[in-house]
Amino acid sequence: SQTIHQWPATLVQPVGSPLSLECTVEGTSNPNLYWYRQAAGRGLQLLFYSVGIGQISSEVPQNLSASRPQDRQFILSSKKLLLSDSGFYLCASGPGQGVSYNSPLHFGNGTRLTVT
Amino acid sequence: AQSVTQLGSHVSVSEGALVLLRCNYSSSVPPYLFWYVQYPNQGLQLLLKYTTGATLVKGINGFEAEFKKSETSFHLTKPSAHMSDAAEYFCAVSENSGNTPLVFGKGTRLSVIA
Repeated sequence: SQTIHQWPATLVQPVGSPLSLECTVEGTSNPNLYWYRQAAGRGLQLLFYSVGIGQISSEVPQNLSASRPQDRQFILSSKKLLLSDSGFYLCASGPGQGVSYNSPLHFGNGTRLTVT
Repeated sequence: AQSVTQLGSHVSVSEGALVLLRCNYSSSVPPYLFWYVQYPNQGLQLLLKYTTGATLVKGINGFEAEFKKSETSFHLTKPSAHMSDAAEYFCAVSENSGNTPLVFGKGTRLSVIA
């Protein structure tokens, strides 16, 4: 079965500092990978998704970027954090291209980011 | 474009009472529908899913949901709430073809009162 590793679990960063959140996936190959952000009362907001190495789709223009240097590694970054970047960040893995979308997403346990 | 509306950001029930969490979707093609549960400071876990076939879907922890195409709904129910059911619940939709990500509703927080 799939396992999604996210770290760190919690992070407190000052405004203007850089960010790097890492997600790695075990138990599958060629997955689609996703970064979601969850802010209080706002549900899950899709930030980025990737269908393959080096392929990134951005859903919301903002202060963040994503990279996929390896098949099962997905990184969320920022050069300068804003207060509004605070939230709970979730990485997810789903079926890759050519695979039916009736397979569910698997989620990591998230990173809670507080920007001060 | 797909969308999901969850009615009620917060639902409170007594222990042993019926749980009903509402979800309506919009999709231009036959959808795949999902319910996920999130416990505090954790990721999301799949409760159940509808793809094709039987419209009443049973999931884990005694939950079930019924796909009603005419009402574009996929409400989640459980006959008797347990304290451990307190969590946030998300409904999600995806198209049954193509390569589009899941679209989630804003979530419903379920509280269970002893």
